[in-house]
Amino acid sequence: DIQMTQSPSTLSASVGDRVTITCRASQSISSWLAWYQQKPGKAPNLLIYDASTLQSEVPSRFSGSGSGTEFTLTISSLQPGDSATYYCQQYNSYWYTFGQGTKLEIK
Amino acid sequence: QVQLVESGGGVVQPGRSLRLSCAASGFTFSSYGMHWVRQAPGKGLQWVALIWYDGTKKDYVDSVKGRFTISRDNSKNTLYLQMNSLRAEDTAMYYCARDSIASRPGWFDPWGQGTLVTVSS
Repeated sequence: DIQMTQSPSTLSASVGDRVTITCRASQSISSWLAWYQQKPGKAPNLLIYDASTLQSEVPSRFSGSGSGTEFTLTISSLQPGDSATYYCQQYNSYWYTFGQGTKLEIK
Repeated sequence: QVQLVESGGGVVQPGRSLRLSCAASGFTFSSYGMHWVRQAPGKGLQWVALIWYDGTKKDYVDSVKGRFTISRDNSKNTLYLQMNSLRAEDTAMYYCARDSIASRPGWFDPWGQGTLVTVSS
């Protein structure tokens, strides 16, 4: 199985801050990576796919980059509604795996 | 609009069975692969099972192989998950999700709202 490791596990930042979350794969997954946002009591919501393609209607302050084994999700200017848990997911093979999640809190 | 609605969750004793359903609308269900993903209370996401658009390929995470069966009825636009020999560790919110690409693994979008399965005596 391909293991996905996110860092940090928790993150606290202020409105307006630039925030970066990292996701590392245990082997190369090319650009086959998605990012999801999950708010408490809700289903995950797709933000980015193919490592850097923004899903429609997702605010442009979200961006993704990377390939191979290292990927990042960046929020350029943190907003109060961005408080959530963020997950990366690889779809390099039919054995899909998720990172353990990064909980983002607003100070 | 594209919508997925799960049902069938509940409280069940260890060793018993449960069948989850996911009703799809707003898109051509028979053209998309579908997945079940679960989330134990306070934990992260775990992919459980997939089924191709035509039902010809199915796969499962190791921990449910031989106990869970994914299926679909394209005439009813419905996805199923038959869960047998349930264990306490199967307790989770179960989400159905649509795959994005028919010909290779893809991202999941959209997701249903989830149905809660609790395995407890």
